[in-house]
Amino acid sequence: NAGVMQNPRHLVRRRGQEARLRCSPMKGHSHVYWYRQLPEEGLKFMVYLQKENIIDESGMPKERFSAEFPKEGPSILRIQQVVRGDSAAYFCASSPVGANHEQYFGPGTRLTVT
Amino acid sequence: AQSVAQPEDQVNVAEGNPLTVKCTYSVSGNPYLFWYVQYPNRGLQFLLKYITGDNLVKGSYGFEAEFNKSQTSFHLKKPSALVSDSALYFCAVRDPDSGNTPLVFGKGTRLSVIA
Repeated sequence: NAGVMQNPRHLVRRRGQEARLRCSPMKGHSHVYWYRQLPEEGLKFMVYLQKENIIDESGMPKERFSAEFPKEGPSILRIQQVVRGDSAAYFCASSPVGANHEQYFGPGTRLTVT
Repeated sequence: AQSVAQPEDQVNVAEGNPLTVKCTYSVSGNPYLFWYVQYPNRGLQFLLKYITGDNLVKGSYGFEAEFNKSQTSFHLKKPSALVSDSALYFCAVRDPDSGNTPLVFGKGTRLSVIA
């Protein structure tokens, strides 16, 4: 059973461009979470999705950031008009149904904005 | 609201000595508690969790953690540290009545094991 997959692993964008980060959850997992990690800092929750639904986006910046988890295909985190402050590692995690389950993390996408 | 505190940014320990990485939590009811480890340029790996039952939980790579309700703590321990244990460790909590809500993470503790 493949783990959580994220691509690309590294992404370089110039200021003002768009960044698209993809996450494929583990097979059988219906819950997807996105986190952001700045250098030497902990994980900050961004958004929690189930298929075709955003459950909690309280950690998402109000502008430029959006996320989706369509019926078919991976979850996408989209950052429009990137700025240098968006440079970070973005991690996706997935879990099955049930509060007692741990989340399984992908390897992350390291976004660098030049 | 749920929260987790990891009071130490950095823990240094000599190889072969016991190690402890501290974690305290705040949640309205009985918590679900988790420990993760992150190696450089990698994602988080699950180590262990406390859901219910025995307060001492055993996990991967020889790690264990003790749930202490009166002290609201869930410290991570290992009897004999290895250099390869050097990494960033995160404690996380979830309120079991909140369903699949996101885990709330501490800010992390960097463990350095010195040969």
